[in-house]
Amino acid sequence: QLQLQESGPGLVKPSETLSLTCTVSGGSISSSTHYWGWIRQPPGKGLEWIGNIYYSGSTYYNPSLKSRVIISVDTSKNQFSLKVSSVTAADTAVYYCARLAAGGTLNFDYWGQGTLVTVSS
Amino acid sequence: QTVVTQEPSLTVSPGGTVTLTCASSTGAVTSGSYPNWFQQKPGQAPRSLIYSASNKHSWTPARFSGSLLGGKATLTLSGVQPEDEADYYCLLFFGGIQGVFGGGTKLTVL
Repeated sequence: QLQLQESGPGLVKPSETLSLTCTVSGGSISSSTHYWGWIRQPPGKGLEWIGNIYYSGSTYYNPSLKSRVIISVDTSKNQFSLKVSSVTAADTAVYYCARLAAGGTLNFDYWGQGTLVTVSS
Repeated sequence: QTVVTQEPSLTVSPGGTVTLTCASSTGAVTSGSYPNWFQQKPGQAPRSLIYSASNKHSWTPARFSGSLLGGKATLTLSGVQPEDEADYYCLLFFGGIQGVFGGGTKLTVL
């Protein structure tokens, strides 16, 4: 059974960089038919797609966040990571990592439980 | 930037049928946008219900169905159960694998 688990600091100061890691177990991050993605949800609000990465390192970002976001992958650890720079209170959200099935379809089929990141001094 | 629009809220009686819709500001929703539907209950991660407009997962209850109708993606719940009360989100893909979520529909079973 595929599982994804987010980890990282729950509190980040304004103007600093938010860093999260997603650890994948029960499957390989080097799958040729899957991408790996980050999605966030501010408290009481809807879902926002942040970006996706392929095991080769190819990335796709939300245009509204592209200037501040970097997603990377470490195939040796079966992990992928998210960095959001110059954070403000608007970046406070539950951050989810998810698997994007891409073999003839596109579907976020497996999700992590999510981790709340609060931006505050 | 593309905007994906859903009904903010809907109410349905137990045992009834309800249809949620998902529209795109770019025009008709097509299979090429690979419409996804997710269910989210309070305090939980979203759960995928439907992908590629009408395909179900092994865990998707039979009462959920998806389609493309009238230029929109739709999610229909037939024989609604109390446990179906949740937020529902659609997701469309544009320009490859760039995703845009709808604002979500809060479904009340009353």
